[in-house]
This record gives sequence, C-alpha cells and structure tokens, in this order.
Amino acid sequence: GENVGLHLPTLSVQEGDNSIINCAYSNSASDYFIWYKQESGKGPQFIIDIRSNMDKRQGQRVTVLLNKTVKHLSLQIAATQPGDSAVYFCAESRSNDYKLSFGAGTTVTVRA
Amino acid sequence: EAQVTQNPRYLITVTGKKLTVTCSQNMNHEYMSWYRQDPGLGLRQIYYSMNVEVTDKGDVPEGYKVSRKEKRNFPLILESPSPNQTSLYFCASSLSIQVGEAFFGQGTRLTVV
Repeated sequence: GENVGLHLPTLSVQEGDNSIINCAYSNSASDYFIWYKQESGKGPQFIIDIRSNMDKRQGQRVTVLLNKTVKHLSLQIAATQPGDSAVYFCAESRSNDYKLSFGAGTTVTVRA
Repeated sequence: EAQVTQNPRYLITVTGKKLTVTCSQNMNHEYMSWYRQDPGLGLRQIYYSMNVEVTDKGDVPEGYKVSRKEKRNFPLILESPSPNQTSLYFCASSLSIQVGEAFFGQGTRLTVV
C-alpha cells in the first residue's frame, strides 16, 4: 500500500481539551484525503475530507489541515468528549485512481 | 435507513473450503469496495468496483475474487481460504465522485483454521 501513516499510535486527551491527530503521506500525486473514526466493534465512519486545492476544512468540532509542502495532514477535534474515544484513520486517494490507502490508525482515549 | 449489510458477521472455516461474504447497500451507490483490517496495519483495500461489471484490484487482491452483477451487491469470494486470510473484513459503498465519503458495513470476522 501507500505510505500513509500516523505519527503516533496512541493519544490520551483530557476531556474538554483539543486533540490533534497527525498523518503523513509520501505520494505527492495524492490529491484527496479523508479522516475516519472507528469505534470498538464497528466499521469506520467518515468524518471529513479535503482535496489538495484546499489547506483547511472545518466541520462540526473538527478541522482538517493539509500541508502539501511537507505532505502532512492533521485532524483537530475541539473540546474532546468521551464519545470521541476511538481509532482514527487517515486515508488518501488520487483523482486518476480510485483506490483508497489507509494509515495504521491512532487510538484516542479521552480521560474524564 | 441507509446502510451497508454484510453477512455473515462471524465465520470460522477450514483451509481450502470456498466461502462467500455478501455485501449489500441500499443507497444506489456506484462505488463499492472490500477491505481487510489487521492489527497494526490499518485497513487495506482488496478490490473495488466503480459500477456494475467494473471491478479492479486494490492493494491486496491475492486469494480473493469479487463480482458486481447488480449495483447493490458486491460479494467477496475466497476460493481456497488459507490461515493468512484470517482477518476482519469490511465492505463499503459511496458515490463515485466522492469515494472517500464511504459507508461501511459492520464487518465480518473470518477465522481460517
């Protein structure tokens, strides 16, 4: 697969704090990036996506940042809640190729 | 309710015994795909389909087959399962123009002994 990876396998966050989950990719041809959340015993769930013509995209309590210069992607979660505890995956794709390549995932644990 | 349904949810089988994992979606999505999830490796794409009768290999297609005879169904076939195909499998569907905004099934945990 592609080298789509997350910097840290685990992240522990205090409830109410902001979380930042990082992801690096190696293929400069990648132009479409997605973040997924996977809760225990469930399939991944789409959170937010971003295309390479954008640097930032915001959703509800989440923001994705894309730095094409250093091939880095991050997901910021504002005011982290216990329900945010899950494994988060980044994935990438290219316009001329409908494959999706996933990183290994970061397990986020929210401390009460 | 919009959903992707996989069956079975759990399966234990023996090496070499052909099996099929079914996947069905009710959202009229063009794009469907299969993934396997293994500890420390994330999800790896096995096969994907852009539309009826159009399929292509993902990153780990060896040992698997798929078919797309109808838009809603995308079965995964293991002709001769081996222990290294023991894994958690997910089916997903999405609109072709936005393949990342995918709906995933609940998963099928397969054990090959």
